[in-house]
Amino acid sequence: EVQLVESGGGLVQPGGSLRLSCAASGFSFWSYAMTWVRQAPGAGLEWVSTITASGATTFFADSVKGRFTISRDNSKNTLYLQMSSLRAEDTAIYFCAKSSVGGYDFGMDVWGQGTTVNVS
Amino acid sequence: DIQMTQSPSSLSASVGDRVTITCRASQTISSYLNWYQQKPGKAPNLLIYATSSLQSGVPSRFSGSESGTDFTLTISSLQPEDFATYYCQQTFSTPLTFGGGTQVEIK
Repeated sequence: EVQLVESGGGLVQPGGSLRLSCAASGFSFWSYAMTWVRQAPGAGLEWVSTITASGATTFFADSVKGRFTISRDNSKNTLYLQMSSLRAEDTAIYFCAKSSVGGYDFGMDVWGQGTTVNVS
Repeated sequence: DIQMTQSPSSLSASVGDRVTITCRASQTISSYLNWYQQKPGKAPNLLIYATSSLQSGVPSRFSGSESGTDFTLTISSLQPEDFATYYCQQTFSTPLTFGGGTQVEIK
């Protein structure tokens, strides 16, 4: 079964740091770009960051650029999001998602259940 | 950055109705437009990619089309399980922006 399981969320004070993990199984993790998307309480979806299949290239939303780092360990089938200098507006459910094809062009076809980050 | 303007933000419809949701891109995005469905407390689910390609397992009552920078999601005959929030997303260039969402409610 193709599955993504996020972990690492929690309560953190403003200015603090947190590292989210996303464990992948059931597919060739190393072949797909991976993305983090967040959803603040009662709000819509916000794209956060994408990393290419090899990990060589990363992309970030302006709202997190310079504060968040995305990485992956293809030997462990795991995606990471290192978040620092956290702000109240970073409070959200964070989803990891798999690209439907190798790159990010055609959307994300597998999503995790989400992990909640509360900055307060 | 490319802005995605989705309308309406909400709508009420009955089972069996034909429903149309629109997304307008602020600039050309070729056909790099995807549609997702999200139910409360759940992760989004990819319905349509590349404007009009139906994701595997998605019922054929869902369809997508485009006219220039206007993109449309159509549900031909609304079913009880279709009451949810729908989002468009452009994947032409980063940032990979989402529309604001359309909540489809029961009339």
